[in-house]
Amino acid sequence: DAKTTQPPSMDCAEGRAANLPCNHSTISGNEYVYWYRQIHSQGPQYIIHGLKNNETNEMASLIITEDRKSSTLILPHATLRDTAVYYCIVRVLGTNAGKSTFGDGTTLTVKP
Amino acid sequence: NAGVMQNPRHLVRRRGQEARLRCSPMKGHSHVYWYRQLPEEGLKFMVYLQKENIIDESGMPKERFSAEFPKEGPSILRIQQVVRGDSAAYFCASSARGTNTGELFFGEGSRLTVL
Repeated sequence: DAKTTQPPSMDCAEGRAANLPCNHSTISGNEYVYWYRQIHSQGPQYIIHGLKNNETNEMASLIITEDRKSSTLILPHATLRDTAVYYCIVRVLGTNAGKSTFGDGTTLTVKP
Repeated sequence: NAGVMQNPRHLVRRRGQEARLRCSPMKGHSHVYWYRQLPEEGLKFMVYLQKENIIDESGMPKERFSAEFPKEGPSILRIQQVVRGDSAAYFCASSARGTNTGELFFGEGSRLTVL
């Protein structure tokens, strides 16, 4: 699985958009980009995933660059409850859907 | 639909004792994954199981650690002769059989403290 690089921490004002970057320059053609978050030592929570097209769901939007070497998770209107560690991982879909190491992620702090 | 259930949530053991952590996947899920999270670190994959089979245990320490997912009952992660370095949060995740979306559903974790 390709390695990802994320900034260790970010701040965001409540109500503003939070844009969390992820670099995955060694991603291969059949690897997807996944985002999870972990709120204060709870179990991680799936947010969104994509291959090459931008994706949106009720939680967030995922923007993947055309060369697929980086992506950005967007929380359009961050709230205090979005304060968490956000993990970006890349992996191939297949029989082992969970092997990826989550790395250290980005600690997002939403401030009032 | 109940989520992934892990127990115990907190477990204290003395060095040399055994720790057993249990995970009941979501209803209808037959794939189970175990992760370990040391303090201030990310999650590290340990093992991937399907019913009665270990699919990938490449993240498991070679000694003292074992996992099973029997035909009936929860998946169990067993740590024998625990040492202080085993103190960590152990998370279980499950996914549906045959899914290729890769979405994992995590439990709330079991926190092991070794005295």
